Amino acid sequence: QQPVQSPQAVILREGEDAVINCSSSKALYSVHWYRQKHGEAPVFLMILLKGGEQKGHDKISASFNEKKQQSSLYLTASQLSYSGTYFCGPMDSNYQLIWGAGTKLIIKP
Amino acid sequence: NAGVTQTPKFQVLKTGQSMTLQCAQDMNHNSMYWYRQDPGMGLRLIYYSASEGTTDKGEVPNGYNVSRLNKREFSLRLESAAPSQTSVYFCASSVSRDRAQYFGPGTRLTVL
Repeated sequence: QQPVQSPQAVILREGEDAVINCSSSKALYSVHWYRQKHGEAPVFLMILLKGGEQKGHDKISASFNEKKQQSSLYLTASQLSYSGTYFCGPMDSNYQLIWGAGTKLIIKP
Repeated sequence: NAGVTQTPKFQVLKTGQSMTLQCAQDMNHNSMYWYRQDPGMGLRLIYYSASEGTTDKGEVPNGYNVSRLNKREFSLRLESAAPSQTSVYFCASSVSRDRAQYFGPGTRLTVL
């Protein structure tokens, strides 16, 4: 079953913060996050493993709550370069990665 | 380092024609994947190869075949193209199945 990402789309002004949520119905081994700009390939951002891990990448960080089967991606002080579609990819213990439908992020100057 | 390369970048086929999409990686990765992405949608796994010499079906394998030619190369074949196979096809690779995936630039395929 495809994970549920919310919101489906969000429009921000440069400098504002955003949170993207990802929820799965399956027990998870890890969660992947990727960003895809229009007309380009997805680009890896980070992987979160079990244990409530939080990781960061510049001003982009994420958390993973395996008990709730949820992950959240946090973008702080957003920059124009953060625009794109963000995909979560929960991975189960069989290493099957099921991609969410994506959250489109638009940053305006 | 070229990373993951795909050929061709664009292709137009007529219904019933066949073609092979080529993918190669120079990162010494063990696992390779083929995905399709329809407009406004996420990625759907067609086939994957966990390691050289093995291939397995993904979520949407019907109408496709794959070959893991060697550790570097993983090809996707459409035997009899159908309009429903119009999509963008991405190849990806990773050190192992649980690690980060790195994508090629994609092939934009239109089947008329």
